[in-house]
Amino acid sequence: GNSVTQMEGPVTLSEEAFLTINCTYTATGYPSLFWYVQYPGEGLQLLLKATKADDKGSNKGFEATYRKETTSFHLEKGSVQVSDSAVYFCALSSGNKLVFGAGTILRVKS
Amino acid sequence: GAVVSQHPSRVICKSGTSVKIECRSLDFQATTMFWYRQFPKQSLMLMATSNEGSKATYEQGVEKDKFLINHASLTLSTLTVTSAHPEDSSFYICSAIGTSGGVSYNEQFFGPGTRLTVL
Repeated sequence: GNSVTQMEGPVTLSEEAFLTINCTYTATGYPSLFWYVQYPGEGLQLLLKATKADDKGSNKGFEATYRKETTSFHLEKGSVQVSDSAVYFCALSSGNKLVFGAGTILRVKS
Repeated sequence: GAVVSQHPSRVICKSGTSVKIECRSLDFQATTMFWYRQFPKQSLMLMATSNEGSKATYEQGVEKDKFLINHASLTLSTLTVTSAHPEDSSFYICSAIGTSGGVSYNEQFFGPGTRLTVL
């Protein structure tokens, strides 16, 4: 079946550090891939998405590239801010359903 | 963007009682709503999908008589946990897709979640 695996957290970084959160997936067919972010006390928000191989999703300085050959969709940001502290979820679509990874807590220190 | 609310945000109940959680789309018509359950340090697990005016479709392993879902209007879906037990304690999250002013939202918009604790 479809599944998503992402790196365990928490990830703790200093402000302006480079961020990578790894995400790999197993799926039949060619799903769309997503990164969601959940700030404290709020619902999940779509951060970025990619719908086909080699697509790059980007938003708010975050990027992720759909790599079919490695079945990966790693999230990166060149310079994190304290306000980026949140839980990040990688997900894939299966029809109109979403399959989520376990989530990675990111803590950014000033 | 579209906004989804949930009520209550937290609820504590005694074992054997039933609890109702509401999920509302505030500024769009939710043609489809999803209910998820999230255990600590684990991913969101889809419980069921409901289309307005239709019976919910439950995922494998989810007891439909235990988790009653009603989607009677385009802005409201409810999840009722019947005869709750401590193992039902969890974080329940809803999401919705739909339309507003002729524009279709294919992206799922999520509510903030409801923390259920069963004593």
